[in-house]
Amino acid sequence: DVQMTQSPSYLAASPGESVSISCKASKSINTYLAWYQEKPGKTNKLLIYSGSTLQSGTPSRFSGSGSGTDFTLTIRSLEPEDFAVYYCQQHNEYPLTFGSGTKLEIK
Amino acid sequence: QVTLKESGPGILQPSQTLSLTCTFSGFSLSTYGMGVGWIRQPSGKGLEWLANIWWDDDKYYNPSLKNRLTISKDTSNNQAFLKITNVDTADTATYYCARPPLGSIFDYWGQGVMVTVSS
Repeated sequence: DVQMTQSPSYLAASPGESVSISCKASKSINTYLAWYQEKPGKTNKLLIYSGSTLQSGTPSRFSGSGSGTDFTLTIRSLEPEDFAVYYCQQHNEYPLTFGSGTKLEIK
Repeated sequence: QVTLKESGPGILQPSQTLSLTCTFSGFSLSTYGMGVGWIRQPSGKGLEWLANIWWDDDKYYNPSLKNRLTISKDTSNNQAFLKITNVDTADTATYYCARPPLGSIFDYWGQGVMVTVSS
């Protein structure tokens, strides 16, 4: 199985700031990485797939980069609605595997 | 508009079989490329993929639970199902169904259903 190591597990930032979340795969997954947002009372939201492709409806302040084993989710100019939990997921091979999550909180 | 909704027993005892239903709308499992997946999340923990079923009845399982999982579908009624046999307390979690278009990313999720395994 491909192990996904996500860091940090917790991140505090202020609105307007930019943040980055890292996701590392235990072996190459090409560019097949997705990012999801989890918020209480809402269904999980697909933000980015294939490393850097924004899902329809994802604001442009979100961006994804990386290939092989190292990936990054960057959120520029944080909005209040961005404070949530973020997960990465590799979609290169079965079994599909997720990172352990990053909780982004307001500082 | 794509929606998915999970339903399940709420609570069951160790060694029983967990039966989950995903009722969806806005897409059809008879359409090329469509599928339904199941993912679970123990309280306070991360996400674990369990299984996918595709429009052509192809199925994929997480090998860590493979012998205990059965995924199936009812295309006519827009439902997908997951059975987990011989449950124990480690199966206590919120169970989600989600739509994976080609490529096994999940673009729509249900709200999840909580399942507790307790004697």
